[in-house]
Amino acid sequence: DSGVTQTPKHLITATGQRVTLRCSPRSGDLSVYWYQQSLDQGLQFLIQYYNGEERAKGNILERFSAQQFPDLHSELNLSSLELGDSALYFCASSTGTQGRSYNSPLHFGNGTRLTVT
Amino acid sequence: GDSVTQMEGPVTLSEEAFLTINCTYTATGYPSLFWYVQYPGEGLQLLLKATKADDKGSNKGFEATYRKETTSFHLEKGSVQVSDSAVYFCALRNDYKLSFGAGTTVTVRA
Repeated sequence: DSGVTQTPKHLITATGQRVTLRCSPRSGDLSVYWYQQSLDQGLQFLIQYYNGEERAKGNILERFSAQQFPDLHSELNLSSLELGDSALYFCASSTGTQGRSYNSPLHFGNGTRLTVT
Repeated sequence: GDSVTQMEGPVTLSEEAFLTINCTYTATGYPSLFWYVQYPGEGLQLLLKATKADDKGSNKGFEATYRKETTSFHLEKGSVQVSDSAVYFCALRNDYKLSFGAGTTVTVRA
């Protein structure tokens, strides 16, 4: 058990809808990362938060947004969903000071499987 | 930018066979290198890591050595088991970002 909790495990929704994915990081971890895993594109980094502030953006679409709350849990919001958004969405957390923690690994949750129909 | 290239799968082996998964990287500076494993229906788990040149990471019989001169971090295991069937990801961390290879699916047959 990595200590990272993601809910829900599965989500099925229709095109055009909006969903929210939730992540609770490991106790003591200040950084939260979101990744998208799809068959054709592999693991894609979406966004990182550190102690409530956005630190880095990867390949995140404008229809997607995220935030990290004072209790350090994070939410990923996906709107105007398209069929191509169907994927596994992983949250990961790590310790880290100001994002410069070269040695610390990321610890991943079990993911939320999103199916857009 | 940083990138990781790992051998394409799938790889199918018999129990007790020797496993090698090649991984090479491109990065500026001095990245840390990792191998993650993903079992069916689960998230990624850290398998091993190396933080500087010539470091050897090891765990559960798996090993990988950080070779700066060849920019490689190949994963090896001397005798695989059916329970090692999974997808293996090589990854590189440079500052905030963890970049992954495409993953290699390994199936071990009894």
